[in-house]
Amino acid sequence: DSGVTQTPKHLITATGQRVTLRCSPRSGDLSVYWYQQSLDQGLQFLIQYYNGEERAKGNILERFSAQQFPDLHSELNLSSLELGDSALYFCASTPSGRAPYNEQFFGPGTRLTVL
Amino acid sequence: AQSVTQLGSHVSVSEGALVLLRCNYSSSVPPYLFWYVQYPNQGLQLLLKYTTGATLVKGINGFEAEFKKSETSFHLTKPSAHMSDAAEYFCAVGNSGGGADGLTFGKGTHLIIQP
Repeated sequence: DSGVTQTPKHLITATGQRVTLRCSPRSGDLSVYWYQQSLDQGLQFLIQYYNGEERAKGNILERFSAQQFPDLHSELNLSSLELGDSALYFCASTPSGRAPYNEQFFGPGTRLTVL
Repeated sequence: AQSVTQLGSHVSVSEGALVLLRCNYSSSVPPYLFWYVQYPNQGLQLLLKYTTGATLVKGINGFEAEFKKSETSFHLTKPSAHMSDAAEYFCAVGNSGGGADGLTFGKGTHLIIQP
């Protein structure tokens, strides 16, 4: 158990809908990262938040957005869903925001299926 | 821009045999390198990492990897495979040159252990 929790574990929805994925980082960790894992693209970095502020963006679509709240949990919002958005979405956390050599602790993921 | 190439999407070895998973990277700055393992229906777990210093890095579960700058490689090895090693293995590079801390992952190698 990494200490990172993600809910829900599974999510099934229809095209055009909007969903919210939730992540709680390890106790004391200030940075949260979101990744998408799909068969086509592999594991891709989407976005990073540090202590409530957006720190860096990766390959995140404009239909997707995220935020980190004062209690440090984070939510990833996916809208206007398409079939190709079906994937496993991981959240990871680290203690600090500017330490790329740090181990990232990954949650168990949310499996999104868009029908 | 960074990139990671993992040679072989599937590698099959016999129990007790040597495990060798190949990883080559591309980075314009000295890289931070990681190997993560993903067991079925779980998140990623760090096996080992290279930041600076000793180029032979030892990790958990008997795995080790050697950073070879001249070959831009970071291959993962284990002298004797165990059935429990069957999993998906990801090589990743972290950004040491500033900017996003999100990891860049390879496509992954599925390790199959034959009894």
